[in-house]
Amino acid sequence: AQSVTQLGSHVSVSEGALVLLRCNYSSSVPPYLFWYVQYPNQGLQLLLKYTSAATLVKGINGFEAEFKKSETSFHLTKPSAHMSDAAEYFCAVSVGRGSTLGRLYFGRGTQLTVWP
Amino acid sequence: DAGVTQSPTHLIKTRGQQVTLRCSPKSGHDTVSWYQQALGQGPQFIFQYYEEEERQRGNFPDRFSGHQFPNYSSELNVNALLLGDSALYLCASSLWRGGDYPTYNEQFFGPGTRLTVL
Repeated sequence: AQSVTQLGSHVSVSEGALVLLRCNYSSSVPPYLFWYVQYPNQGLQLLLKYTSAATLVKGINGFEAEFKKSETSFHLTKPSAHMSDAAEYFCAVSVGRGSTLGRLYFGRGTQLTVWP
Repeated sequence: DAGVTQSPTHLIKTRGQQVTLRCSPKSGHDTVSWYQQALGQGPQFIFQYYEEEERQRGNFPDRFSGHQFPNYSSELNVNALLLGDSALYLCASSLWRGGDYPTYNEQFFGPGTRLTVL
């Protein structure tokens, strides 16, 4: 079975500091991996995705993530936090192929707070 | 280009009632997936529709049912509502490209419908 673990339900950083949100997955087959962001009272917006191309993936708003197969990890980073980054972040995995393609398994989310 | 739209935005029902939520996919998309996001949790997959049929389903009871129309829009129906059904219901659309080597296509999420069951 597929699962996603996000370490730390809450992360707080100062504006300008490094952002590191952790995600580990379990999958019996090569996965597709995603990070989504959710602002209050809104849906999910895709930040970036790994689909078996380059292991270092760059996304929107200065975020990037590195796929490490040996560690089954896909941690999200941003060199310098901005106040507007404060939101809920979800890591997700999709392992389906053919007719099962597209089902996403989400982690429980990490709430990022950015202090001025 | 309109994105994924959902209606209504908010809904309040009482236990035992039935509810219908609606979703219009992003222009050009043909696949719709529904997710339930309880407070403080990540979204949970309910089911996915393609070509007007349920293609795959998550671990949800039969009280949850859906439909996809020829114009690719979709409905989620929940019967005999329970307090635990209170959640944000998210619709996501994508374009399915089948074949021998299907390519993953990004799912675009709508803003969700907030359902409260009293």
